[in-house]
Amino acid sequence: GAVVSQHPSWVICKSGTSVKIECRSLDFQATTMFWYRQFPKQSLMLMATSNEGSKATYEQGVEKDKFLINHASLTLSTLTVTSAHPEDSSFYICSARDARGRSEQYFGPGTRLTVT
Amino acid sequence: GENVEQHPSTLSVQEGDSAVIKCTYSDSASNYFPWYKQELGKRPQLIIDIRSNVGEKKDQRIAVTLNKTAKHFSLHITETQPEDSAVYFCAASIGSSGSARQLTFGSGTQLTVLP
Repeated sequence: GAVVSQHPSWVICKSGTSVKIECRSLDFQATTMFWYRQFPKQSLMLMATSNEGSKATYEQGVEKDKFLINHASLTLSTLTVTSAHPEDSSFYICSARDARGRSEQYFGPGTRLTVT
Repeated sequence: GENVEQHPSTLSVQEGDSAVIKCTYSDSASNYFPWYKQELGKRPQLIIDIRSNVGEKKDQRIAVTLNKTAKHFSLHITETQPEDSAVYFCAASIGSSGSARQLTFGSGTQLTVLP
């Protein structure tokens, strides 16, 4: 149980285009999902907290107009990187917390974004 | 906000030896402390966690200790094996059941187990 999927697993896009990444909880409902960015050999940096049915909460320094987050259902959250630039190239990982109030976060497999 | 520091950044041990990774946190309100193992290009995997009402927890070769007074917690791996080689992250979380429980991660420790 407690499986989180992400799609796509990797994507290459041209500078200026937008990319959408999906995060799904497959066997549980998640009222809260989290989006992280991880650069090579670095830690996970929280970008935003996504709450079902409400606006996402962004961490300081993260542009909400550039990283659009939508959490339309209890099993799906999407992150759209708009007008991508090479510096947005990174490993994006989502996690989901079980709506039943458990402490654990379950991580998706990550999406490797490369902007050329 | 919460700040989590992790040491060492790299750790090499001989197979069969023990490995210890230490973390400190800043916010005394933190009450949940998970440890994750991440292999290259893969997702972080929860290996053990501890809550603030417990001082120690063990699961086979892995144990975690928590000192709330000093605000530090440690991961202990005994009888290390080459497959234990990975990056390990500690994390801390504030919040009660039902709240967002954002995790603040440490900077990671690259553990290498030498055969």
